[in-house]
Amino acid sequence: GAVVSQHPSRVICKSGTSVKIECRSLDFQATTMFWYRQFPKQSLMLMATSNEGSKATYEQGVEKDKFLINHASLTLSTLTVTSAHPEDSSFYICSAQSPGTRQETQYFGPGTRLLVL
Amino acid sequence: GIQVEQSPPDLILQEGANSTLRCNFSDSVNNLQWFHQNPWGQLINLFYIPSGTKQNGRLSATTVATERYSLLYISSSQTTDSGVYFCAVALYSGNTPLVFGKGTRLSVIA
Repeated sequence: GAVVSQHPSRVICKSGTSVKIECRSLDFQATTMFWYRQFPKQSLMLMATSNEGSKATYEQGVEKDKFLINHASLTLSTLTVTSAHPEDSSFYICSAQSPGTRQETQYFGPGTRLLVL
Repeated sequence: GIQVEQSPPDLILQEGANSTLRCNFSDSVNNLQWFHQNPWGQLINLFYIPSGTKQNGRLSATTVATERYSLLYISSSQTTDSGVYFCAVALYSGNTPLVFGKGTRLSVIA
């Protein structure tokens, strides 16, 4: 299947700093990628849809000025958590769908575990 | 929005046992996927199955779209099957995000 990578796999930062997370589609081009967040022992919740060359669309309750998304190329989307606080500590996962496939399977990155102290 | 309910929420199995996980959804869907989330958090694609039946080794899945449910069967379970199993759906075809159920947490003990 298609491969999606994320970097870093885990990050620890101080409260008030910004953290950038990269999501890459390694063997296909993705005009759209999705960012999800998963708190401990909970399910995945969609945060935003990242669109190549245009603004991201955010789910209700997700602050677009706090979670900056940039989809500058067909293989890379970045999520920047600005002025991170302890409540932003979570597992962030991106996904993409390989285009041109008969099945509309979405592939997920390995996730980034963020801990804000 | 669409609701996705999974049952049971937790399941403990003896190694070698079989199990059935269920996913109910509240609307017609164009995409349904089953995932296994391993202890490191990686979501592993098990099946893309908006309808019909598929099998892959000890795992099989059936989706009855008209009745809005899907079943995941695990046979001869192994300790490596432990983890959380998620069902996720999308209403529309094309590049649309998935809505996840709350998952079934499976523990297989030797």
